[in-house]
Amino acid sequence: VHLVESGGVVVQPGGSLRLSCAASGFTFDDFAMHWVRQPPGKGLEWVSLISWDGGRTYYTDSAKGRFTISRDNSKNSLYLQMNNLRPEDTAFYYCVKDKALLGSYFDSWGQGTLVTVSS
Amino acid sequence: EIVLTQSPGTLSLSPGERATLSCRASQTVSSRYLAWYQHKPGQAPRLLMYGASTRATGIPDRFSGSGSGTDFTLTISRLEPEDFAVYYCQQYGSTPPYTFGQGTNLEIK
Repeated sequence: VHLVESGGVVVQPGGSLRLSCAASGFTFDDFAMHWVRQPPGKGLEWVSLISWDGGRTYYTDSAKGRFTISRDNSKNSLYLQMNNLRPEDTAFYYCVKDKALLGSYFDSWGQGTLVTVSS
Repeated sequence: EIVLTQSPGTLSLSPGERATLSCRASQTVSSRYLAWYQHKPGQAPRLLMYGASTRATGIPDRFSGSGSGTDFTLTISRLEPEDFAVYYCQQYGSTPPYTFGQGTNLEIK
């Protein structure tokens, strides 16, 4: 299993950003996927979940209405569209593979991509 | 939302010693849907345990998990140098959010 995130940059408060995750080494459309973040010096925080077919999505409260998770199973790719970014969104963002079709434990993680929200 | 509280925040031990990490949930974690992860600086987190007590693929048997309901424990029987890291518990046994504990930093004494 190989998960490679990209798209992390420095962005101003109120700005937008799309993270991508390229997946390989497994049958992508057999598993749910997640985004998990870690602010510098802090712990892990689950951000969002998408089911194997993209039909169901879930978000942490702070992401609702601002972030959109999506996937393209034909491209083995996961995305996170982030709008109206806040300084508290600054974090490493990890692409994470679920063990099941919808929601189970996280059995593989990417290396992460750093998003910095600052003026 | 289920809140997970890990203790201690920092654990200072020497190689060869036994480590006991605790994770307490604010409400019952159904069907033992409790996982543990290891995270080292600059690396991707790694799954250690799921279902509270089942070791993930490739995890050595010095790692063991136990508990049910609201109280869970990760035990490392004899610490190896590579075991010093931050450990997180996580619950996935209900509708999201899939919350993590705040982490236990296992450091070399």
